[in-house]
Amino acid sequence: KQEVTQIPAALSVPEGENLVLNCSFTDSAIYNLQWFRQDPGKGLTSLLLIQSSQREQTSGRLNASLDKSSGRSTLYIAASQPGDSATYLCAARLPGYSSASKIIFGSGTRLSIRP
Amino acid sequence: DTEVTQTPKHLVMGMTNKKSLKCEQHMGHRAMYWYKQKAKKPPELMFVYSYEKLSINESVPSRFSPECPNSSLLNLHLHALQPEDSALYLCASSHMDRGLSYGYTFGSGTRLTVV
Repeated sequence: KQEVTQIPAALSVPEGENLVLNCSFTDSAIYNLQWFRQDPGKGLTSLLLIQSSQREQTSGRLNASLDKSSGRSTLYIAASQPGDSATYLCAARLPGYSSASKIIFGSGTRLSIRP
Repeated sequence: DTEVTQTPKHLVMGMTNKKSLKCEQHMGHRAMYWYKQKAKKPPELMFVYSYEKLSINESVPSRFSPECPNSSLLNLHLHALQPEDSALYLCASSHMDRGLSYGYTFGSGTRLTVV
């Protein structure tokens, strides 16, 4: 069974700290991996998309890496701010389905940044 | 236009009611998806449409009936729902390509409450 796991499930850090969120997946034949942010009761906002041929992607204070051989992706957030508080979900696009494919979500990391 | 628009944002319906959720995108995406999300859980795939044809049905009960009238519009028709169907319903879209390199764009969701 293909699985995507996120650790930790919850994280609370003081403002200004750099932090790393982890995502692991069981199939190294991944097509791509996408990181999303979700505020309570809201939809998903795409943060970064990493293709299988890429090692990392950067957007502002965010940096995501992908290591297919070890089945891991990390989301690095620099100089965290209270506005970064949200749930962060990773989703892996994996083979084995129709041409429409499907993405497998991790269970998410609930991040709280303390002022 | 880089958005997926979902209406309504909130819906309260009785168990004998018939209602519909609507999703619209104008990004030229030919794959559209319905997800169901319960509180503090990741989204669960319900249906996938590719080129306006249903390609994946994740064994969803028949009280949920999807429809894709054209390449920009996706509906989810609801009938005889149960209270446990109360959840956030998310629509997403993506490009279609053999390399499956494109990411997903999600809407802001419809918060459904069944009473």
